[in-house]
Amino acid sequence: DTEVTQTPKHLVMGMTNKKSLKCEQHMGHRAMYWYKQKAKKPPELMFVYSYEKLSINESVPSRFSPECPNSSLLNLHLHALQPEDSALYLCASSQTIRGLDGYTFGSGTRLTVV
Amino acid sequence: ELKVEQNPLFLSMQEGKNYTIYCNYSTTSDRLYWYRQDPGKSLESLFVLLSNGAVKQEGRLMASLDTKARLSTLHITAAVHDLSATYFCAVENTGTASKLTFGTGTRLQVTL
Repeated sequence: DTEVTQTPKHLVMGMTNKKSLKCEQHMGHRAMYWYKQKAKKPPELMFVYSYEKLSINESVPSRFSPECPNSSLLNLHLHALQPEDSALYLCASSQTIRGLDGYTFGSGTRLTVV
Repeated sequence: ELKVEQNPLFLSMQEGKNYTIYCNYSTTSDRLYWYRQDPGKSLESLFVLLSNGAVKQEGRLMASLDTKARLSTLHITAAVHDLSATYFCAVENTGTASKLTFGTGTRLQVTL
């Protein structure tokens, strides 16, 4: 299995909702990442997990809450989002935090906040 | 703070022509990645360049890295319509925890 699987593919949520994005990989990678990509812009890093511990939080607002329950799974919990949070959320993984074999990206979750 | 710039931002080229996309970055790094993104899709890994002077080729695309000049190039040979996409370079910050900083992206449109 050489894939990073993200669910759901599309999500529409209201500003008072709580939802979660899920990311799973079975490549034995020990580093996992969340990126946010607005339309026609490059991806921007949000969080890095290494060996299930949070290594980097790029000053992301607390309405985004990451969780890494085990080495294969990464969640992003969403609460009280704003319309400007609408974007494509990409999960990625790499063998370690130094991507010598590159970074594998999932297909993304397209989030719309209404 | 690491800054990564690509040029051009938009490139319209005819089938059969050659062109080069440039990626400049502001601080020392010896790892650079190229990705392709189709509209509404995720990122497809094209090349991983891990050392100064690295050159990799796949089909009509060739990437190179000059860490001294802090420059990578993506050369397109005899473009075909299927190459139409947005291309991103990404530079890895090598610190206590690594992260990718993406370039601005180059939207390539290959016309018949």
